[in-house]
Amino acid sequence: SQTIHQWPATLVQPVGSPLSLECTVEGTSNPNLYWYRQAAGRGLQLLFYSVGIGQISSEVPQNLSASRPQDRQFILSSKKLLLSDSGFYLCAWGHGGGGEQYFGPGTRLTVT
Amino acid sequence: GIQVEQSPPDLILQEGANSTLRCNFSDSVNNLQWFHQNPWGQLINLFYIPSGTKQNGRLSATTVATERYSLLYISSSQTTDSGVYFCAVSYNNNDMRFGAGTRLTVKP
Repeated sequence: SQTIHQWPATLVQPVGSPLSLECTVEGTSNPNLYWYRQAAGRGLQLLFYSVGIGQISSEVPQNLSASRPQDRQFILSSKKLLLSDSGFYLCAWGHGGGGEQYFGPGTRLTVT
Repeated sequence: GIQVEQSPPDLILQEGANSTLRCNFSDSVNNLQWFHQNPWGQLINLFYIPSGTKQNGRLSATTVATERYSLLYISSSQTTDSGVYFCAVSYNNNDMRFGAGTRLTVKP
C-alpha cells in the first residue's frame, strides 16, 4: 500500500531564516506530487505541483520554492521566511488525468 | 478558476442526529473529493465522487455534476465525526480547489 511521509511535524523558525520541508511517498511510482498550505481556520491552497523529476509548476507567486530531486521526493523551501509563511503545509500525491489525491500528515510551521 | 462554496460553515449536532453538508462548484469538474480533517490536521479521504452516489457505512455522498453540487450525508452522528469536512474539485487533477469547509461538532 502507499504511504506518504512528511517531516518535520512541527517547526518554529525566526523571520529571515531558511526553510526546508520534505515529503516522500512509498508504494507507488511516478506520482504527481503537490504542496498545499492551510492558513488557520481556512481551506487549503495549492502552492506547487510536479508531474515528474525536475518538473515544478507554481500556482501562486510567493516566497517559497519547490524541488523534486527524486521520483518520490518533494521538497518545499524558502531562503528567507516571512511571518506570512506561517501555516499548515500538506503534501499530497495522486496520478494525473483524474483520480484521488492522498495527503500526508502535514507540517505545522510557525514563523516568529 | 473554479469556485467552491460549502454550507453550512458550522454545524452543531447531538450524538445520533443526521446531517447534510453541501458543496456547490462553479464549473465542470472531473474530480470531486470529500475529506474529513481530524483534530490533528490529518486529511482523511471519505469519497472520490465526480458523479453518482456512494455509501460507506454511516456516510454517503451524491454528486449531481450537471447541476454542479455534491452532498455529504452523515447518519447517526458520533462524537468522533467532529472535525472539518472539505469538498475539493478539479478539472485536470492538477488544479484542485478546496472549499472553506464545514466545521462539525457532535455533542454527547
